[in-house]
Amino acid sequence: AQRVTQPEKLLSVFKGAPVELKCNYSYSGSPELFWYVQYSRQRLQLLLRHISRESIKGFTADLNKGETSFHLKKPFAQEEDSAMYYCALKGGSSNTGKLIFGQGTTLQVKP
Amino acid sequence: NAGVTQTPKFRVLKTGQSMTLLCAQDMNHEYMYWYRQDPGMGLRLIHYSVGEGTTAKGEVPDGYNVSRLKKQNFLLGLESAAPSQTSVYFCASSRSQGREQYFGPGTRLTVT
Repeated sequence: AQRVTQPEKLLSVFKGAPVELKCNYSYSGSPELFWYVQYSRQRLQLLLRHISRESIKGFTADLNKGETSFHLKKPFAQEEDSAMYYCALKGGSSNTGKLIFGQGTTLQVKP
Repeated sequence: NAGVTQTPKFRVLKTGQSMTLLCAQDMNHEYMYWYRQDPGMGLRLIHYSVGEGTTAKGEVPDGYNVSRLKKQNFLLGLESAAPSQTSVYFCASSRSQGREQYFGPGTRLTVT
């Protein structure tokens, strides 16, 4: 079964502390994984995707096929990082673009 | 560009009533999606469309119907609303499969 698990509903850290939002997936095949973010009163938007191997707003995520994980990391959290983060897996057949989302993790960065 | 817009923003329905949620995109995207967002469950795909005139079921399609008569619009219908359909509904579109999905602002629906 195709599944995405984000084990933490809430992650609370102080400004300047490192952040790691966990994401594990279940998928038979080569996965395509994404992180989406929803800031307060804004719409959901793409943060990064694993195939781009990019760093956005200081966040990085590495696909670990052995551990079936795609954790989101940032070395020094900022207050403006406070948001809901969703890990997503492109599932189904290759031509539908369907995304399977995790349950979401709320990141709270305290001053 | 307005991007993806959703109408209405809020709605309260009584059990058994019907309604249609409208999603419109002005980016000429082929693919469109309807999700519902519930606490602790993330976003779940209701229905999707890979092009004008096509629709397909997602993860939680029961109680909903959709239509994609025009490329820019994707309608989600509730024929007989139930309290279990209380949720926030998001529409999204993408240029092609595997590309970034662009989301609308959401519709908060309460069924009493």
